[in-house]
Amino acid sequence: QPVLTQSSSASASLGSSVKLTCTLSSGHSSYIIAWHQQQPGKAPRYLMKLEGSGSYNKGSGVPDRFSGSSSGADRYLTISNLQSEDEADYYCETWDSKGVFGGGTKLTVL
Amino acid sequence: QLQLQESGPGLVKPSETLSLTCTVSGGSISSSSYYWGWIRQPPGKGLEWIGSIYYSGSTYYNPSLKSRVTISVDTSKNQFSLKLSSVTAADTAVYYCARRGVTTVTTWGQGTLVTVSS
Repeated sequence: QPVLTQSSSASASLGSSVKLTCTLSSGHSSYIIAWHQQQPGKAPRYLMKLEGSGSYNKGSGVPDRFSGSSSGADRYLTISNLQSEDEADYYCETWDSKGVFGGGTKLTVL
Repeated sequence: QLQLQESGPGLVKPSETLSLTCTVSGGSISSSSYYWGWIRQPPGKGLEWIGSIYYSGSTYYNPSLKSRVTISVDTSKNQFSLKLSSVTAADTAVYYCARRGVTTVTTWGQGTLVTVSS
């Protein structure tokens, strides 16, 4: 079973960019993942599906400021021109006969 | 636009069975491209996958919960349901229903808080 590892927290300034990382465990570096955003007090929201090639497919209404990329076992979510509403928890997720979530990264916008 | 809505009791007694239903609107639960599932989030903690079901009835459960979980589908009502037996305080969480494609969740419900307490 794959394990997804995320940093517990990250911070960046309003208007800047931030790159969040989700790392797949050994032997699972080719897996497709998804990124989800959970704003305080709200349900998670699907942001994008991200392949090992770096190709990504965003959900409906997701701003252009959100993009994805990959390198080996690492899957990245980059948010450009940070806005206050981007302050949220970000989870990565994958599937291998069962759903697997990373522990989440809490993003603070300074 | 696809929407998922959870419903069910917000308070369940210890040792009893938690029962929730997810109503799907704006799309058919019988679509061959998707799976339907449940995910939970204890207060202040991360997301935990509970299980999924295909419209044909095939199920996939989290091994850690498998002995207590049953997920079923009612295509005539465009609904699917969760039953979690022998609940304890550790099962207190916000429960989300979700639609999953071949690999990942793509649509979430709004979530419903279920508290286990006497």
